[in-house]
Amino acid sequence: DTAVSQTPKYLVTQMGNDKSIKCEQNLGHDTMYWYKQDSKKFLKIMFSYNNKELIINETVPNRFSPKSPDKAHLNLHINSLELGDSAVYFCASSQEGRGANTIYFGEGSWLTVV
Amino acid sequence: AQTVTQSQPEMSVQEAETVTLSCTYDTSESDYYLFWYKQPPSRQMILVIRQEAYKQQNATENRFSVNFQKAAKSFSLKISDSQLGDAAMYFCASLAMGGSRGGSEKLVFGKGTKLTVNP
Repeated sequence: DTAVSQTPKYLVTQMGNDKSIKCEQNLGHDTMYWYKQDSKKFLKIMFSYNNKELIINETVPNRFSPKSPDKAHLNLHINSLELGDSAVYFCASSQEGRGANTIYFGEGSWLTVV
Repeated sequence: AQTVTQSQPEMSVQEAETVTLSCTYDTSESDYYLFWYKQPPSRQMILVIRQEAYKQQNATENRFSVNFQKAAKSFSLKISDSQLGDAAMYFCASLAMGGSRGGSEKLVFGKGTKLTVNP
């Protein structure tokens, strides 16, 4: 059973296209995230949602639009893709509370813009 | 603001030996958690071990253990009896609590240490 699953795992697309990455978690967590790992492998948060509500919105171009239809799903849509958007995008989830507060990651979606 | 520093870009160890990866952090919050994640070439982020700052006892998970020095803000990872499958990037990360609601805490990562295990 995959706890946090995201699709697609690999995506190669041309500049200017629009693409989406989907994420689902079956852990019953209230919070979901999108993280970006750049070419230097540095990981940084992009967005967080808690019970479908946007909580964290880091300095990310507005071409990136997350959407959470319910607390188990968090999708990422990217408009007008640019070369610099090439990265690995990780979905993650967590549950707050003593003894919890651990963030579990999906397998990553490797986006290449050509 | 939180910061996490991993001063060793690369480390190597002989199979079956022990290696320690260093990490220092800084946070203004009194309630926080520290983690080590492993990232093999497949790029999956795998949780190795976690430490609650309010616990004095160092966390252990089988061959993995930490040396948590709260006053020094140090959080090193020790891998005993290293195996070939331990070869990966290792990321130290901190999660400071204190946000007004769930989802407001950010997991902040160091730049990673690439561990090579030699047969």
